[in-house]
Amino acid sequence: KAGVTQTPRYLIKTRGQQVTLSCSPISGHRSVSWYQQTPGQGLQFLFEYFSETQRNKGNFPGRFSGRQFSNSRSEMNVSTLELGDSALYLCASSLPGQGARSNQPQHFGDGTRLSIL
Amino acid sequence: AQTVTQSQPEMSVQEAETVTLSCTYDTSESDYYLFWYKQPPSRQMILVIRQEAYKQQNATENRFSVNFQKAAKSFSLKISDSQLGDAAMYFCAYRSGLDQGGKLIFGQGTELSVKP
Repeated sequence: KAGVTQTPRYLIKTRGQQVTLSCSPISGHRSVSWYQQTPGQGLQFLFEYFSETQRNKGNFPGRFSGRQFSNSRSEMNVSTLELGDSALYLCASSLPGQGARSNQPQHFGDGTRLSIL
Repeated sequence: AQTVTQSQPEMSVQEAETVTLSCTYDTSESDYYLFWYKQPPSRQMILVIRQEAYKQQNATENRFSVNFQKAAKSFSLKISDSQLGDAAMYFCAYRSGLDQGGKLIFGQGTELSVKP
């Protein structure tokens, strides 16, 4: 079974531009979460999508947005890029939980390394 | 808000020896899940082990085991018979039992090096 696929692996942008990152989850996984990883702030949750709906959101400005398609693939978009947006962006997918009590783990992709010049 | 703390930024272990990585967390919830993830230089986060808070028995996965102390809010990872391939950044993570899916809260990580 193919793992979580993120594209592109590397991206270089300049301040003020916008960027779109893509994530294809493991087949059958309907939950997709996004995380930002930086040396200073560590791993921070951005948002989670399930059945094309945002189910959970972290504490990031509105410049960060996402969406999920009917095939569970997800994209995240960052507008008006700032130097501080330079980070590794990780996507993770999981099976839908069986109600609230579910220990379904998240499976991560290799990430997209975004550099802002 | 829940927080996860890993107090050891770096650890080192001799090959074939045992090492324990520490993790503490803060929550007012009684139902939650705890995870240890490994991130090698290749970047991909790999699940090492998971623990449900409602289970008293400590989880084990081959050479990896946890010491889950719910009252103390402690969740340490023990790696036995350390191998060179265990060298990586290790993250402790928390997920609320109220969340059906995502939102892991991560600690800052512990970088483990394994000496031959």
